[in-house]
Amino acid sequence: DAGVIQSPRHEVTEMGQEVTLRCKPISGHNSLFWYRQTMMRGLELLIYFNNNVPIDDSGMPEDRFSAKMPNASFSTLKIQPSEPRDSAVYFCASSLVGRRSSYEQYFGPGTRLTVT
Amino acid sequence: QQQVKQSPQSLIVQKGGISIINCAYENTAFDYFPWYQQFPGKGPALLIAIRPDVSEKKEGRFTISFNKSAKQFSLHIMDSQPGDSATYFCAAAGGFKTIFGAGTRLFVKA
Repeated sequence: DAGVIQSPRHEVTEMGQEVTLRCKPISGHNSLFWYRQTMMRGLELLIYFNNNVPIDDSGMPEDRFSAKMPNASFSTLKIQPSEPRDSAVYFCASSLVGRRSSYEQYFGPGTRLTVT
Repeated sequence: QQQVKQSPQSLIVQKGGISIINCAYENTAFDYFPWYQQFPGKGPALLIAIRPDVSEKKEGRFTISFNKSAKQFSLHIMDSQPGDSATYFCAAAGGFKTIFGAGTRLFVKA
């Protein structure tokens, strides 16, 4: 398996522009997580999905952030409009969560977002 | 608010020494305690994990010690090597959620 795939790997955009980050989870995994990592705040959970349904989006910073998972093999995180404080590395992770699962999360390589 | 408190923030160890990172959690509903290792430019990757029904788990040079009554757990890296230099995250998981600690940046001096 290729692991979790994220695109783009790097994104530089101007303040006010819309940014869309993409994630393809590992085939067969039923849970998907979006994280944001910064030096100041560490690794923050933004939202997670189980079986394509958003379970908890309490970590989404504000209405400018939205996430979708239209099917089991694809998810997007959108920021509109983007602001300089959104600059961070965004990780997608997937997991097989179930009665006897290990909760192990497999992280993608991340998208480094810079908003100028 | 569920939290996992991790210390120290950074750690410098001589090659061959023992690296020790500590974590404490609050929610007794957690039933899985993993440690993740992250190298620069990469995503975190699972290193070792433990469930609360055991007090210690060892995999090679890496050992987790778990104290359920104190709600604390720690990672010990024996014979630390320069290749171990990375950021380490403890975490606590239960249900669908995993809560990560703030991370410890480990530097092993050659």
